[in-house]
Amino acid sequence: AQSVTQPDIHITVSEGASLELRCNYSYGATPYLFWYVQSPGQGLQLLLKYFSGDTLVQGIKGFEAEFKRSQSSFNLRKPSVHWSDAAEYFCAVGGRQTGANNLFFGTGTRLTVIP
Amino acid sequence: ETGVTQTPRHLVMGMTNKKSLKCEQHLGHNAMYWYKQSAKKPLELMFVYSLEERVENNSVPSRFSPECPNSSHLFLHLHTLQPEDSALYLCASSQDLGGGANEKLFFGSGTQLSVL
Repeated sequence: AQSVTQPDIHITVSEGASLELRCNYSYGATPYLFWYVQSPGQGLQLLLKYFSGDTLVQGIKGFEAEFKRSQSSFNLRKPSVHWSDAAEYFCAVGGRQTGANNLFFGTGTRLTVIP
Repeated sequence: ETGVTQTPRHLVMGMTNKKSLKCEQHLGHNAMYWYKQSAKKPLELMFVYSLEERVENNSVPSRFSPECPNSSHLFLHLHTLQPEDSALYLCASSQDLGGGANEKLFFGSGTQLSVL
């Protein structure tokens, strides 16, 4: 069965510190992987996506994610967090043969940034 | 601004009321979606429209009724809701439906619905 697990419900980091948000997936075929961010009172915005090729993908706002097939993981990282990064982050998985209507989302990780 | 506008931002309704949520996209997209976002649960896809035709209805109770009069507008009509229907309802659009999972979703800011 297809699913996404984000094991951390809430993470708190200091401004300027590094960040890693974990995402593990279960998918029966070659996965397409996504990270979305939801700022307070807003909808979700795509941060980055992985389809194929280089397993380290760069996204907007200085974020990157690494696909590790052996670990079924797609962790999101940022070397230095800014206060404006406080938001909820969602990992999602889909497939090559499916459309956007067949994305499976995780339950999200809420990021708090302290001064 | 993502190009997807939802109104109202907040809605409080009783269980016997009838109300509608509205979504408008200014992106020229052909596919539109309704999602339900509840705390500590994954996003739930409710309905999908492609070129104004409903292509998916994920076992959503009949008290939720979607309408897509044209490719730019999507409505969610609500009647006799239950308290457990309280959630954030998100509208999204994408260029097309059949482009594989690389279809980027553009989300609106959502309608926070409270059912009393």
